[in-house]
Amino acid sequence: QKEVEQNSGPLSVPEGAIASLNCTYSDRGSQSFFWYRQYSGKSPELIMFIYSNGDKEDGRFTAQLNKASQYVSLLIRDSQPSDSATYLCAGSTGSARQLTFGSGTQLTVLP
Amino acid sequence: DAGVIQSPRHEVTEMGQEVTLRCKPISGHNSLFWYRQTMMRGLELLIYFNNNVPIDDSGMPEDRFSAKMPNASFSTLKIQPSEPRDSAVYFCASSLRGAGETQYFGPGTRLLVL
Repeated sequence: QKEVEQNSGPLSVPEGAIASLNCTYSDRGSQSFFWYRQYSGKSPELIMFIYSNGDKEDGRFTAQLNKASQYVSLLIRDSQPSDSATYLCAGSTGSARQLTFGSGTQLTVLP
Repeated sequence: DAGVIQSPRHEVTEMGQEVTLRCKPISGHNSLFWYRQTMMRGLELLIYFNNNVPIDDSGMPEDRFSAKMPNASFSTLKIQPSEPRDSAVYFCASSLRGAGETQYFGPGTRLLVL
């Protein structure tokens, strides 16, 4: 079992809709979680990080963390075609707490 | 501020040749990471340095791979000899203090081994 699992998608939503991306993790000791966006042919870029249970909002993005259920999610409100990318979830795992990345969810926002 | 710098951006080589990838982390960051990304295996951590010292190299696939960080502003990842299955995008990333913090990625090196 991978330490960080994502629903691989692909996920398609119409422009203006809410896109919901989910991630589960197996290491209960994981403390920090990150969402990265990766456009095709580009490097991952940070969208948000979250350490505490609950919601964290930044503009159109909301990260949610539930440590009891071991899941992390990212909501994108008012989705735009420019949001079309692969979204990578990462959690700090292992003895050195290095980031372990999920396999990514490909999101397409349809105009 | 300059981000993470990697060179070369593209590398095409023949099986058996030595390949050296280079990385300059963000100034002031004391942690550096080498990742490999393929369609099949996703983004995998190869090795992690903290204050120029290798902390975790458990992701290095085999002895053909080696990494060094001679100083705080430079790291290399070497593959010798290279094989076609090494074809991938290799990313270098750095973070301010440690492994569990925000990592900033370089543009990557696209390696093709023929």
